[in-house]
Amino acid sequence: IAGITQAPTSQILAAGRRMTLRCTQDMRHNAMYWYRQDLGLGLRLIHYSNTAGTTGKGEVPDGYSVSRANTDDFPLTLASAVPSQTSVYFCASSETGFGGGYTFGSGTRLTVV
Amino acid sequence: DQQVKQNSPSLSVQEGRISILNCDYTNSMFDYFLWYKKYPAEGPTFLISISSIKDKNEDGRFTVFLNKSAKHLSLHIVPSQPGDSAVYFCAARANDYKLSFGAGTTVTVRA
Repeated sequence: IAGITQAPTSQILAAGRRMTLRCTQDMRHNAMYWYRQDLGLGLRLIHYSNTAGTTGKGEVPDGYSVSRANTDDFPLTLASAVPSQTSVYFCASSETGFGGGYTFGSGTRLTVV
Repeated sequence: DQQVKQNSPSLSVQEGRISILNCDYTNSMFDYFLWYKKYPAEGPTFLISISSIKDKNEDGRFTVFLNKSAKHLSLHIVPSQPGDSAVYFCAARANDYKLSFGAGTTVTVRA
């Protein structure tokens, strides 16, 4: 693989269930991010990690948690899913301090019913 | 409150003509601006960027203009091609390196 791999590609989830979205990168980037994309709102940052072992809250962190045990993996967990978490979720990575942009995964389409 | 705003949700342009996408921002601490392009069922991909110390950056058919006093940037695509049909996101970065995105503009290039 080259870049970022997200899994699953799509998921229908019952409200109240726990779900972990997986994200793996092979570029050895220090920083990783989770965004959600919603119509009319664009991409909003959920959580981020500047380096392995550290995480931070973004613009819309409530209901989500992340961990960064190593450089390559950055899973996003919904502890108890609610319908408002229906969205398309994108994982991204970048070199810390890099003047360019992010590399994004292909996204996970999540529907909470 | 969104700090990066794209007020035009959609744009339709004839093939061969110019596409102009606009973006406004409110945070004066933003020092780097980027445009991303997104096709359906794919992640956004980096298109072009501009530093706050410049007012123009050009890459082939794509040119980004920055007006710092107006807190406004625009993306020009000349000439527009059918493959340019996509959603375009404007993004801005402050010194914490996290990107703030606009809502996106869907461009449709008509044959």
